[in-house]
Amino acid sequence: RKEVEQDPGPFNVPEGATVAFNCTYSNSASQSFFWYRQDCRKEPKLLMSVYSSGNEDGRFTAQLNRASQYISLLIRDSKLSDSATYLCVVDGNNRLAFGKGNQVVVIP
Amino acid sequence: DTEVTQTPKHLVMGMTNKKSLKCEQHMGHRAMYWYKQKAKKPPELMFVYSYEKLSINESVPSRFSPECPNSSLLNLHLHALQPEDSALYLCASSRLGGGVVTGELFFGEGSRLTVL
Repeated sequence: RKEVEQDPGPFNVPEGATVAFNCTYSNSASQSFFWYRQDCRKEPKLLMSVYSSGNEDGRFTAQLNRASQYISLLIRDSKLSDSATYLCVVDGNNRLAFGKGNQVVVIP
Repeated sequence: DTEVTQTPKHLVMGMTNKKSLKCEQHMGHRAMYWYKQKAKKPPELMFVYSYEKLSINESVPSRFSPECPNSSLLNLHLHALQPEDSALYLCASSRLGGGVVTGELFFGEGSRLTVL
């Protein structure tokens, strides 16, 4: 089983719609969870950390489910500028492991 | 603006050349990283330096040689590369707590390398 698994998509989302995706992780001892956003030909940038109680930042909501070992990201009221790849990052073995990313394409 | 600075932004080199990629951060982070990223793939960890010492080498070929001269600088020396080494090379840094990675990774904009 891979350390971090994501369905790469692409996720084609009409503008204004809601999109959600999950990321599963294999290391039950993992303590730190992040969502990064990466635009085409740019570096990854932190979107949000994921806390046990879940957290929200504007239109973005992240959740952690330790029992089932996954984290989720929900984007409400999608904007064209949300088009990007969303990378799930989880700590383990003293390093941060990346998922393959969820490619989101917001369509006008 | 990123707080991790990488130079050069673009590099084209032949298979017999020797070149270096440079990375600098002034956030006081004691963990620094080199990642390699191919198109439509996630970043792939190459090396980790913790407190200026190499702590992780992900079985990277010896034609890639990292160096950490001090806590703010990280270099990647390149020699006798192959065309398949063409990729975006990302430097990152993070805090360390008790020798363990804590907190997020801060990435530089990357050095886009083409090997002819």
